[in-house]
Amino acid sequence: QQQVKQSPQSLIVQKGGISIINCAYENTAFDYFPWYQQFPGKGPALLIAIRPDVSEKKEGRFTISFNKSAKQFSLHIMDSQPGDSATYFCAASKRGTASKLTFGTGTRLQVTL
Amino acid sequence: EPEVTQTPSHQVTQMGQEVILRCVPISNHLYFYWYRQILGQKVEFLVSFYNNEISEKSEIFDDQFSVERPDGSNFTLKIRSTKLEDSAMYFCASSTGTQEQFFGPGTRLTVL
Repeated sequence: QQQVKQSPQSLIVQKGGISIINCAYENTAFDYFPWYQQFPGKGPALLIAIRPDVSEKKEGRFTISFNKSAKQFSLHIMDSQPGDSATYFCAASKRGTASKLTFGTGTRLQVTL
Repeated sequence: EPEVTQTPSHQVTQMGQEVILRCVPISNHLYFYWYRQILGQKVEFLVSFYNNEISEKSEIFDDQFSVERPDGSNFTLKIRSTKLEDSAMYFCASSTGTQEQFFGPGTRLTVL
């Protein structure tokens, strides 16, 4: 019940296209859902996050869509650029301080020219 | 922009040796975490730390692991007797107490 399932494992998108990565969770105690971007040899960098009280959050080209009833959330990268090529991890945590992050398995995104 | 720093960037050790991985969290953060990532796999939680105490630890964090905040700025992870399977990237993270966690660049630990 602690798992966060992420798909696809890898994704190839043409420059200018839309990248969509999906995650699903089972634990209804999760109430914070961040996405992290990781470049090779670097640490995960917080990209955008959402809480269950909203269905969508947009920051620039990055949008999280959240479906509370389905217990699913997704990251949409609009106008994908080669610089977006990285591994993306969804994660979830429960309410409370010092609450650990449970990560998905990651999606390797490649944006081609 | 404040960031989490970690040293060393790469540590090579022999099996059975002790290693200490060091982290300097963001200065006004009070909550500290260690995660690890085996090559090509997902990031896994090891331990969280607040007010000089462990808040939560995972099954991975057995008696071979310990954490310490030896002074006002450093946060360390010690592995007493390293095993081959401890080879991984180790990430330190910190937060103010909100759920936003900020990660360091990691230490690559190679156990031979």
